[in-house]
Amino acid sequence: KAGVTQTPRYLIKTRGQQVTLSCSPISGHRSVSWYQQTPGQGLQFLFEYFSETQRNKGNFPGRFSGRQFSNSRSEMNVSTLELGDSALYLCASSLSEGSNEKLFFGSGTQLSVL
Amino acid sequence: GQNIDQPTEMTATEGAIVQINCTYQTSGFNGLFWYQQHAGEAPTFLSYNVLDGLEEKGRFSSFLSRSKGYSYLLLKELQMKDSASYLCAVTGSGAGSYQLTFGKGTKLSVIP
Repeated sequence: KAGVTQTPRYLIKTRGQQVTLSCSPISGHRSVSWYQQTPGQGLQFLFEYFSETQRNKGNFPGRFSGRQFSNSRSEMNVSTLELGDSALYLCASSLSEGSNEKLFFGSGTQLSVL
Repeated sequence: GQNIDQPTEMTATEGAIVQINCTYQTSGFNGLFWYQQHAGEAPTFLSYNVLDGLEEKGRFSSFLSRSKGYSYLLLKELQMKDSASYLCAVTGSGAGSYQLTFGKGTKLSVIP
């Protein structure tokens, strides 16, 4: 069974640009979450989707958005990139909607903003 | 909100036992997870505690005290491959149950 797949693996952008990251969950998983990981702040929650509905959103500005498609694949978009957006963006999927479901993480997209 | 504290770094000797502590203050609490993350890799699930007590799984055990807002991860018979960051994370209640709030992680170095 394939794991969580994130593309691209690495991305370099300049300030002011926008970026779209993609995540394909494990087959059969319906919940997808996104996290930002930086050395200083650790892993911070961005948002979570289940059956195409955003159920929760973290404390990030409106420049960060996401969506989930009917096949459970998800994308996140960051507009008007800032230097501080440089981070590893991790996507995670879980089987069902319960809060006690363990997350399976992808390898992440390393975003560098110059 | 949620606040989670764990030591930044720890060092232990191969074959020894190490305990990584995690304290949390939350507005709502559902359960506590431990994840392991090797450098440059994705976090992987280690354990989940929702009730007080000790959960043992091979060389790894995790303990939870809900009344004290405290958990620890115990690693026995340390191996070099256990060198990694260990992340404590909690789930809240209501809408907060659909997110994990992570501590900043404890970087464990296992030395010969």
